[in-house]
Amino acid sequence: DQQVKQNSPSLSVQEGRISILNCDYTNSMFDYFLWYKKYPAEGPTFLISISSIKDKNEDGRFTVFLNKSAKHLSLHIVPSQPGDSAVYFCAASTGGFKTIFGAGTRLFVKA
Amino acid sequence: SQTIHQWPATLVQPVGSPLSLECTVEGTSNPNLYWYRQAAGRGLQLLFYSVGIGQISSEVPQNLSASRPQDRQFILSSKKLLLSDSGFYLCAWSRPPNTEAFFGQGTRLTVV
Repeated sequence: DQQVKQNSPSLSVQEGRISILNCDYTNSMFDYFLWYKKYPAEGPTFLISISSIKDKNEDGRFTVFLNKSAKHLSLHIVPSQPGDSAVYFCAASTGGFKTIFGAGTRLFVKA
Repeated sequence: SQTIHQWPATLVQPVGSPLSLECTVEGTSNPNLYWYRQAAGRGLQLLFYSVGIGQISSEVPQNLSASRPQDRQFILSSKKLLLSDSGFYLCAWSRPPNTEAFFGQGTRLTVV
């Protein structure tokens, strides 16, 4: 039962353009959502998060949008840079403890 | 600052052999600790979590076990490895009430 789904296994974007990574979830009890970035052979690193009481959170080039009615969130990266090339995981949590991860989307930013 | 150490980085073990992966956290006290596994082409699967010494919760029934003998030490074990245990194992910690988790570098386990 995949409670957190990232339906696009990969995404390719030109440097300087916007990258949009999508994530859908099924459990309406999730109250906190996170994005992690992962390079090969390393552990994921926390990128940005959003509480379910908000619909947008911005941190520099990264913005996360939450649409609770659609059970959908997205990560926008603008402008995209080659160093952003990595696997991005969407994650969701209930009560701040058990965090469920999606399968990840591999982002390629072309120079 | 807080750091998390996980070792070894890579491990090749024969089927039926035991396993012990260790994880330690520095610079914080009473963290929540987690073991995740990433199978090839899959997301991160939560295996175990712990809120305190000796307190372990299992998420997925399997032949793995976890222990927390000290506040900042988390160990993943198996008595007999299966081929299906191969994967990338990640230890992580978080500091309640924050949800953001901080991951170790991971252990690539190959069971042959």
